[in-house]
Amino acid sequence: QVRLQESGPGLVKPSQTLSLTCTFSGASIGSGSFYWSWIRQPAGEGLEWIGRIYTSGSTNYNPSLKSRVTISLDTSKNQFSLRLSSVTAADTAVYYCARQVGALLYFDYWGQGTLVTVSS
Amino acid sequence: SYELTQPPSVSVSPGQPATITCSGDKLENKYASWYQQKPGQSPVLLIYQDNRRPSGIPERFSGSNSGNTGTLTISETHDMDEADYYCQAWDSSHVVFGGGTKLTVL
Repeated sequence: QVRLQESGPGLVKPSQTLSLTCTFSGASIGSGSFYWSWIRQPAGEGLEWIGRIYTSGSTNYNPSLKSRVTISLDTSKNQFSLRLSSVTAADTAVYYCARQVGALLYFDYWGQGTLVTVSS
Repeated sequence: SYELTQPPSVSVSPGQPATITCSGDKLENKYASWYQQKPGQSPVLLIYQDNRRPSGIPERFSGSNSGNTGTLTISETHDMDEADYYCQAWDSSHVVFGGGTKLTVL
C-alpha cells in the first residue's frame, strides 16, 4: 500500500533552516511519471504549494519561496527532502508531502502532515 | 501569477445539493482538481481531470469545468460532507490552490 510519511524537527529557531524528509513506501520513488511535492498549511489557513521534484531531479518552486527552498530526491532511500532557509514565524505551519501524477497534475497521495513551529 | 478564487463559505441543508465554485482565468484550458479536508486530517482527492472520481469517492461528488469556472457539486449532501474544500490547477510550471471553501451542513 502506498504511503508517505513526513519526519523532522517540530521546532526550529528563527533565521535557521527547516529540514524535513518524506519517506515513500509501497513502491519505488524513482519509477513512474510522478512529481514529489511539499505543501504547507498555517493554522486556520489554506494550502500553499512549496515546490516539487521530478524523478529526473528537475525542480519547480513557488516563486514566493524560491529563494529559500531546496527540494532533493534520494531514490536509494525512497525519500525526498525539503530545506527552507532563513525561517521566520510566518513559516510556522503543518507541512505535507504529496505525490503528484505527472500528466494530469493532481495529488493522489498525501502524508499525514507534520507541524513545524518557528520560535526561539 | 495565476489565482484561483473560491467562496469562503457555503451552507447547505442535509439532503440538498451543494455547489462550490472555483474561478480562474481560462480555467477550462487547465485541469481542475478538488480536495476535501476535515479538521486535523490531510486533504483527500475528490475529483481530478475536471470531472473524474478516484475509486472510493462516492458518486454524489461530481465536477465540471467551463470557461473561467470550475465547479464541485455534491448531489445530496450528508452531515459527513462538512469540511473544507480546495480546488487546484497548474499554471506555468506551478501548482495553484484556491483559498478553500468551508462547507457547513446545517
